[in-house]
Amino acid sequence: DQQVKQNSPSLSVQEGRISILNCDYTNSMFDYFLWYKKYPAEGPTFLISISSIKDKNEDGRFTVFLNKSAKHLSLHIVPSQPGDSAVYFCAARGHAGNMLTFGGGTRLMVKP
Amino acid sequence: GAVVSQHPSRVICKSGTSVKIECRSLDFQATTMFWYRQFPKQSLMLMATSNEGSKATYEQGVEKDKFLINHASLTLSTLTVTSAHPEDSSFYICSAIRLAGGHEQYFGPGTRLTVT
Repeated sequence: DQQVKQNSPSLSVQEGRISILNCDYTNSMFDYFLWYKKYPAEGPTFLISISSIKDKNEDGRFTVFLNKSAKHLSLHIVPSQPGDSAVYFCAARGHAGNMLTFGGGTRLMVKP
Repeated sequence: GAVVSQHPSRVICKSGTSVKIECRSLDFQATTMFWYRQFPKQSLMLMATSNEGSKATYEQGVEKDKFLINHASLTLSTLTVTSAHPEDSSFYICSAIRLAGGHEQYFGPGTRLTVT
């Protein structure tokens, strides 16, 4: 049973527009959420995170929104750039430890 | 920044041999390191949690006698795939959490293992 789901395997966006990547979770014990970016044959790179006590965290072009009641989080990238093209993973952490549970990933393609 | 390295980046070995993969935190001390594997077009699957000076904790379905983990210091963890078989071919990634820091895991660049 997947506790963290990214229902869109891929997303295509025009350069300059907003990219919205979505993530849903089922475990209400998760208290910290992270987004990672991954290129092929490389390890994931940390992008941005959010604690469950917040509903928004912004860092430059990246904003993460958390809706606890819906158990849903999203990553907004604006404006999108071709270099943002990669696979994005959301991950969740339970308060009992440091283990992360990853979603299946969404491949973002930003077209020039 | 927090840099995690892995060595080797690629390895090809014959079936039945053992392969050791190193994971190092280069500019910070890591109390905990994690080992993941990723199959093509799939998510990262946690294999085990490695704590310095103690035995690793393996996830369900991961054979601890096949995937030996040693976390000898606060900057080094090793994963040894013993008696490798073609089905062990995968992309292995480690991550580390700072000794004094937040919740972010910093990932290594990964190791592509191919067993022939």
